[in-house]
Amino acid sequence: QQQVKQSPQSLIVQKGGISIINCAYENTAFDYFPWYQQFPGKGPALLIAIRPDVSEKKEGRFTISFNKSAKQFSLHIMDSQPGDSATYFCAAGPMGSNYKLTFGKGTLLTVNP
Amino acid sequence: KAGVTQTPRYLIKTRGQQVTLSCSPISGHRSVSWYQQTPGQGLQFLFEYFSETQRNKGNFPGRFSGRQFSNSRSEMNVSTLELGDSALYLCASSLADPRTDTQYFGPGTRLTVL
Repeated sequence: QQQVKQSPQSLIVQKGGISIINCAYENTAFDYFPWYQQFPGKGPALLIAIRPDVSEKKEGRFTISFNKSAKQFSLHIMDSQPGDSATYFCAAGPMGSNYKLTFGKGTLLTVNP
Repeated sequence: KAGVTQTPRYLIKTRGQQVTLSCSPISGHRSVSWYQQTPGQGLQFLFEYFSETQRNKGNFPGRFSGRQFSNSRSEMNVSTLELGDSALYLCASSLADPRTDTQYFGPGTRLTVL
């Protein structure tokens, strides 16, 4: 079964610190790797996404690092803020006709003030 | 521009009943995807509709079905409800292709099966 393994399940960081969430995938056909942010009572919202032709993508305080040979990708949140407290999901999907995203189980991030 | 709306937001049913959930995509969006979210399994893809046709399907039993109307609104139906169907059901819309266009999620319908 195609899987995306996400760690850690939960993470507590102090304000101003760096939050790091890791994901690993198995299917080499995956070539689209988005990260979603979900607040309680809301649906997930796309945060940032990367394709395997680049090893890193940065948008503001959020950076995705991608290691194709290790089949791993990670989300780094720099200068973490209490407002970043949410559940983060990584996902992966192929670009072929049978497109569907496979999600990690999620990481509950708490940023203490 | 209004976001993705889902109705109802909360629903309580009993085992054996059936349920229909509704999703209105963002205006102009033609692709609608459905996901099931549970604490144990996380987010799982159910199916995706485009131009009233099911274009992709996840690994769920036939009790889960859907359809899309000409105005891109979509409904999802679950028949013969089981306790394990209790979940948050999320709908997401994108312009045409979720592989290249950003998916926007609705707030979800919380289904509880007793």
